[in-house]
Amino acid sequence: GDSVTQMEGPVTLSEEAFLTINCTYTATGYPSLFWYVQYPGEGLQLLLKATKADDKGSNKGFEATYRKETTSFHLEKGSVQVSDSAVYFCALSLSGGYQKVTFGIGTKLQVIP
Amino acid sequence: DAGVIQSPRHEVTEMGQEVTLRCKPISGHNSLFWYRQTMMRGLELLIYFNNNVPIDDSGMPEDRFSAKMPNASFSTLKIQPSEPRDSAVYFCASSLSGGAPYEQYFGPGTRLTVT
Repeated sequence: GDSVTQMEGPVTLSEEAFLTINCTYTATGYPSLFWYVQYPGEGLQLLLKATKADDKGSNKGFEATYRKETTSFHLEKGSVQVSDSAVYFCALSLSGGYQKVTFGIGTKLQVIP
Repeated sequence: DAGVIQSPRHEVTEMGQEVTLRCKPISGHNSLFWYRQTMMRGLELLIYFNNNVPIDDSGMPEDRFSAKMPNASFSTLKIQPSEPRDSAVYFCASSLSGGAPYEQYFGPGTRLTVT
């Protein structure tokens, strides 16, 4: 079946450090890929997305590139802030029919001043 | 837009009691999802409705759980009887299906504690 594998957290970084959260996927078809973010006490919200190979999704300084050859969608940010502390979920969805979203387990990021 | 609305935000109940969680999806959205989030199991899809019809309920843990969507603007998730292992955060999400890719909009969640 379809699945998403994320690096386990928590990840603790100092402010202005470089962030990478790894994500790889397995899918029976050609998926769209997403990163969702969950801030403390809130629901998940979409951070960025990519729909085809080599697409780069970006938002709020975060980026991720859809790599079909390595089935990966790693999340990066050049300089993290304390306000980026949250849980980050990698996810995939296959087009057509039942558009179920398959989520990874989530990676908790803590940024310290 | 008010976003997905869930109530209550917090629920504390005793084992054996009935619990009803409520969700109002975003107006115009035709898909609705109920999820459960725990530290041990992460985010689990419980049930998915499309146009008010349950499409996939394979994630519903057992017969104690039931979900309804009587109209496009309201859904409930009921647990009867509740057990301590049901303690979790329950999220409702909605989306507009039919196009690709699509995104799900999550509500703030209901934190359920069963003692």
